[in-house]
Amino acid sequence: GESVGLHLPTLSVQEGDNSIINCAYSNSASDYFIWYKQESGKGPQFIIDIRSNMDKRQGQRVTVLLNKTVKHLSLQIAATQPGDSAVYFCAERMASSGTASKLTFGTGTRLQVTL
Amino acid sequence: ETGVTQSPTHLIKTRGQQVTLRCSSQSGHNTVSWYQQALGQGPQFIFQYYREEENGRGNFPPRFSGLQFPNYSSELNVNALELDDSALYLCASSSRDRGRGYTFGSGTRLTVV
Repeated sequence: GESVGLHLPTLSVQEGDNSIINCAYSNSASDYFIWYKQESGKGPQFIIDIRSNMDKRQGQRVTVLLNKTVKHLSLQIAATQPGDSAVYFCAERMASSGTASKLTFGTGTRLQVTL
Repeated sequence: ETGVTQSPTHLIKTRGQQVTLRCSSQSGHNTVSWYQQALGQGPQFIFQYYREEENGRGNFPPRFSGLQFPNYSSELNVNALELDDSALYLCASSSRDRGRGYTFGSGTRLTVV
């Protein structure tokens, strides 16, 4: 079936540098995308989301870019900090019509921040 | 506003047993979804509940069942446990009316021995 995938399983960056985590999705019917951060032993924590009618959205130190032409999603983290170390998932939601609006996740990218 | 609460946090069961996991949804949310997350993988959708009825199901057998209560809290039941059922079970609540924003709980770590 359709799934969300990630290009890099592990990303190592130095503290203070910018991080870019990429994600490819295959379902052109998806209307909503979310980035989650998951620390060991915890549930996914919402970072930022974007609807399919947008191509960029900014939050505090984070930016999500959506390129529907190539079905690509990215998460940019500015001035990466040790506390950003975690596994990051992108998730997509297919547009629903009264039925379950499930999220489809990729396998995740581990971000390691070095001092 | 309160977040999503799951109980218990950890559980060890024997193969063949039955288990019930519980979830309290975030205030203002009326929809609850359950996900299974195997070690090193992303969460996989099990099913979703809205207005106390199952509203969609992923690729999981019938021995995975659930309930949603009038206060929007939910239970996940798994019968005839198998070793492969060992995973982190996540509950996510959302508001169907708002159409966005899925809040996850910290999960229940189930180990089947």
